Amino acid sequence: DAKTTQPPSMDCAEGRAANLPCNHSTISGNEYVYWYRQIHSQGPQYIIHGLKNNETNEMASLIITEDRKSSTLILPHATLRDTAVYYCIVRVQGGTSYGKLTFGQGTILTVHP
Amino acid sequence: DSGVTQTPKHLITATGQRVTLRCSPRSGDLSVYWYQQSLDQGLQFLIQYYNGEERAKGNILERFSAQQFPDLHSELNLSSLELGDSALYFCASSGNRGYEQYFGPGTRLTVT
Repeated sequence: DAKTTQPPSMDCAEGRAANLPCNHSTISGNEYVYWYRQIHSQGPQYIIHGLKNNETNEMASLIITEDRKSSTLILPHATLRDTAVYYCIVRVQGGTSYGKLTFGQGTILTVHP
Repeated sequence: DSGVTQTPKHLITATGQRVTLRCSPRSGDLSVYWYQQSLDQGLQFLIQYYNGEERAKGNILERFSAQQFPDLHSELNLSSLELGDSALYFCASSGNRGYEQYFGPGTRLTVT
């Protein structure tokens, strides 16, 4: 699985958009970008994933650069409950044997009132 | 609520003992994963089972073992416990496509 690099911490004001970057310059053509978050000692929570097109769901948007070497997770209107550690993970998608998620250090996002 | 349940929530035991952690996956999910989260190592993948069979192995110690039963629930057995085994243990499950993994609330193990 490709290695990812994320800033250790970021701050965001409540109600503003939170943009969390991730570098994955060694990503392979068959590897997807996944985002998970972990709110203080709770189980990690799946947010979104994508291959090369931008993706949006009810939680967030994922913007992947054309060369796929980096991506940005966007929380459009951050709330205090979005304070968490956000993990960017790159891995081969699907199948029954490719389940392993390799978590890095992630980005600690703190949303301020 | 992810639909994945884990028991017990907390476990305190002494060094040298053996414990069993239990996980029930989301309804219909065939894959179960175990992860360990300690302060110094972060979140680490231990092992994956798919429909009763071991499919992938990570940084799992020989003192640890797991299995998945016909009803798809899984158990993680930790033996000869050491102080360093104190950690949060998470179970996750996923469907056939294996896209998203849904994590349980975890079991906090404290070895004294």
